[in-house]
Amino acid sequence: NAGVTQTPKFQVLKTGQSMTLQCAQDMNHEYMSWYRQDPGMGLRLIHYSVGAGITDQGEVPNGYNVSRSTTEDFPLRLLSAAPSQTSVYFCASSYSISQPQHFGDGTRLSIL
Amino acid sequence: RKEVEQDPGPFNVPEGATVAFNCTYSNSASQSFFWYRQDCRKEPKLLMSVYSSGNEDGRFTAQLNRASQYISLLIRDSKLSDSATYLCVVPLISSGSARQLTFGSGTQLTVLP
Repeated sequence: NAGVTQTPKFQVLKTGQSMTLQCAQDMNHEYMSWYRQDPGMGLRLIHYSVGAGITDQGEVPNGYNVSRSTTEDFPLRLLSAAPSQTSVYFCASSYSISQPQHFGDGTRLSIL
Repeated sequence: RKEVEQDPGPFNVPEGATVAFNCTYSNSASQSFFWYRQDCRKEPKLLMSVYSSGNEDGRFTAQLNRASQYISLLIRDSKLSDSATYLCVVPLISSGSARQLTFGSGTQLTVLP
């Protein structure tokens, strides 16, 4: 059972580049979410999804897009990378909002 | 007022000590609560879920006070391995339903030998 798998684990981008952070879970979880964590700060919600085909914005959605075409996958797209998006990104999933979240290992992203 | 507020810490305690953290939440409709631990910016890992008045798991006890809108985490007989950041997590209620989780900024605990 792989749980929540995030790829890549590390990435360096130049300002203006775009990329997609991948997130996949094999637990048939309906609820999936993306967070970013900056040094000395808590996790902030970027986008979330309550099921395939349904996504919504979290606290800090600007500069990011998501889609949920399948239950398993929830990719996060950076449209035009900016230094302010340098952060650690975590993907998480759960059966529902009232159940504990399972986290991926995180993606360490640096924007130069 | 923030949705979720935690003791700022850091807490530095000797091995074997008992330590308690508090977490206050603003939405009285919240029904489920979680404590996670996070090590050195690795992924958060679930420590305890709290759905009623409290929960106990070995050396860890979580208590919920709905009237005062706070949850606490008590760690007894602290071990060096308990050193971590402890995150309080509360579902954000909007339009009568919970669709997002709100994380506290975390309380840092260091257990000293």
